[in-house]
Amino acid sequence: GAGVSQTPSNKVTEKGKYVELRCDPISGHTALYWYRQSLGQGPEFLIYFQGTGAADDSGLPNDRFFAVRPEGSVSTLKIQRTERGDSAVYLCASSLEGGGAGSTDTQYFGPGTRLTVL
Amino acid sequence: AQKITQTQPGMFVQEKEAVTLDCTYDTSDPSYGLFWYKQPSSGEMIFLIYQGSYDQQNATEGRYSLNFQKARKSANLVISASQLGDSAMYFCAMREDNTGGFKTIFGAGTRLFVKA
Repeated sequence: GAGVSQTPSNKVTEKGKYVELRCDPISGHTALYWYRQSLGQGPEFLIYFQGTGAADDSGLPNDRFFAVRPEGSVSTLKIQRTERGDSAVYLCASSLEGGGAGSTDTQYFGPGTRLTVL
Repeated sequence: AQKITQTQPGMFVQEKEAVTLDCTYDTSDPSYGLFWYKQPSSGEMIFLIYQGSYDQQNATEGRYSLNFQKARKSANLVISASQLGDSAMYFCAMREDNTGGFKTIFGAGTRLFVKA
């Protein structure tokens, strides 16, 4: 079956511009996660959706970052006034049910969007 | 303090040999989950194995096993009979069930090179 897809695969933008990154989760997965991975680092949690609502957005670095999931499937990560430090690979993952105490729910990752801010 | 520590930036192993990738973690939450992921050069993160903090036995999945030593807060990944396709980055991760929200925290990773 289809896995998690992310578009675009690469995005080059100029400092100060606005960008949108899209994630299509696995059909039927209610939980969706966004991560950011800088070069030589592990993924860094940004935000978690359960259905349409952001259940945990504690990882968003500042108010320039925002994410939505209006219909509980596709999600868009929005970055305003991009800065060079935003350059990274943005990973999306989905899981069937989501986290919580004792959950063994497996996250399936997409291929990522490589964002370069010039 | 680092929540997940992977002290080996790079590891080499001969094909068909076993290799252990180290991971130590730090939490005061009594309930947590530990994960290992593989990231090949293509960039996609692939789930390998899971260990819950209350699991009595070490997790195993095919050639992967997790050496869970709770008192030492270590969760090392053992790959048996290494294959050339095992060459990749490997990340250890943790989810704290009561105090961590829904976030999964990843270590910095270990790059594994399998030699023919």
